[in-house]
Amino acid sequence: EDQVTQSPEALRLQEGESSSLNCSYTVSGLRGLFWYRQDPGKGPEFLFTLYSAGEEKEKERLKATLTKKESFLHITAPKPEDSATYLCAVQARGAGNTPLVFGKGTRLSVIA
Amino acid sequence: DTGVSQNPRHKITKRGQNVTFRCDPISEHNRLYWYRQTLGQGPEFLTYFQNEAQLEKSRLLSDRFSAERPKGSFSTLEIQRTEQGDSAMYLCASSLKSGNTIYFGEGSWLTVV
Repeated sequence: EDQVTQSPEALRLQEGESSSLNCSYTVSGLRGLFWYRQDPGKGPEFLFTLYSAGEEKEKERLKATLTKKESFLHITAPKPEDSATYLCAVQARGAGNTPLVFGKGTRLSVIA
Repeated sequence: DTGVSQNPRHKITKRGQNVTFRCDPISEHNRLYWYRQTLGQGPEFLTYFQNEAQLEKSRLLSDRFSAERPKGSFSTLEIQRTEQGDSAMYLCASSLKSGNTIYFGEGSWLTVV
């Protein structure tokens, strides 16, 4: 069974204090690994898709990396507006379109 | 903005009543998904459509749940005889057949009292 484990569950940072969120996964052949941002009471907002080990993607203060067993979301010099829950999901290879399997997320709080 | 649209955004209903949620996907997206999310958890897959065909259903989708996408455009998710355990946010998402990125709507909150 495909599984995603995110750590830590919650993270509190001072503004400007860089850190990383972890997403460990087991999947029967990875089609893609996805990162989403979710604000309270709203739907997940797409950030990145990673397809193969060694791939990296960046967007503003966020950088996502991928290995064969885990992905990291690095946050450089975060600002209070980066406070949100960050969700990781995997999609397995399959004959059709396999559904995303999500982790429980990391709740990030950035304090000014 | 032509993102995924869901309504109603919030619904409070008494146990035993039926509720229906509607989802309008991004235009030209032929894949449509329903997920459910409870507090402190990630979204869980319920079902998905390619055009009007319902191609996969999770075991989470009990007989009280039914989803349709009659013309391959908007979709409805109906929950019959609601139970308190059905209280959750119901998320709709869509994607292009040829693409991998799945875009979510803002969700429909259901509270069963």
